[in-house]
Amino acid sequence: EPEVTQTPSHQVTQMGQEVILRCVPISNHLYFYWYRQILGQKVEFLVSFYNNEISEKSEIFDDQFSVERPDGSNFTLKIRSTKLEDSAMYFCASSVLTYEQYFGPGTRLTVT
Amino acid sequence: RKEVEQDPGPFNVPEGATVAFNCTYSNSASQSFFWYRQDCRKEPKLLMSVYSSGNEDGRFTAQLNRASQYISLLIRDSKLSDSATYLCVVKGGNKLVFGAGTILRVKS
Repeated sequence: EPEVTQTPSHQVTQMGQEVILRCVPISNHLYFYWYRQILGQKVEFLVSFYNNEISEKSEIFDDQFSVERPDGSNFTLKIRSTKLEDSAMYFCASSVLTYEQYFGPGTRLTVT
Repeated sequence: RKEVEQDPGPFNVPEGATVAFNCTYSNSASQSFFWYRQDCRKEPKLLMSVYSSGNEDGRFTAQLNRASQYISLLIRDSKLSDSATYLCVVKGGNKLVFGAGTILRVKS
């Protein structure tokens, strides 16, 4: 069964550093998403991406964040200058249409 | 009012029990509804979509009441492997809006 994959599984970085989280969506999916989950809290939407552009973003997704589909398979989330409060699980998801979204295993980001 | 509200639980039930979870949502324009399950420190996994007519998948039954903005999930004959957090999810626009989840613990 096709799956969304994410790398790395765990990333430790120092405050102020840039990080790039990587995702490979399911191959025939056209819509891509990033969500995050701070420990003990609910899953929160960050951004959706379709046809090489952002289709929707949340208030969390400020100028520190950017997304890119650099080639035909990868989908990345970049955080330019990490803060302590960026520590969370970051989940990538994809969908064929805008209906059922399938999530990757997540990247645990720890900012020290 | 929270966008999606769930009873946090935990629900502690014996194997074989029937358990029901409820959820309410605030945005009457919401288009689609889902139940996901999440195991500890894992990704949300789609359990089932929820249709207006109600739908069943094996031991799981989901109901939607648009007038009351209420969604439910019924699990029959609970198994140990059903222990997880159950997330009520509402779709608006492109994004999924998650409830905080209801913890289920099934004990032998």
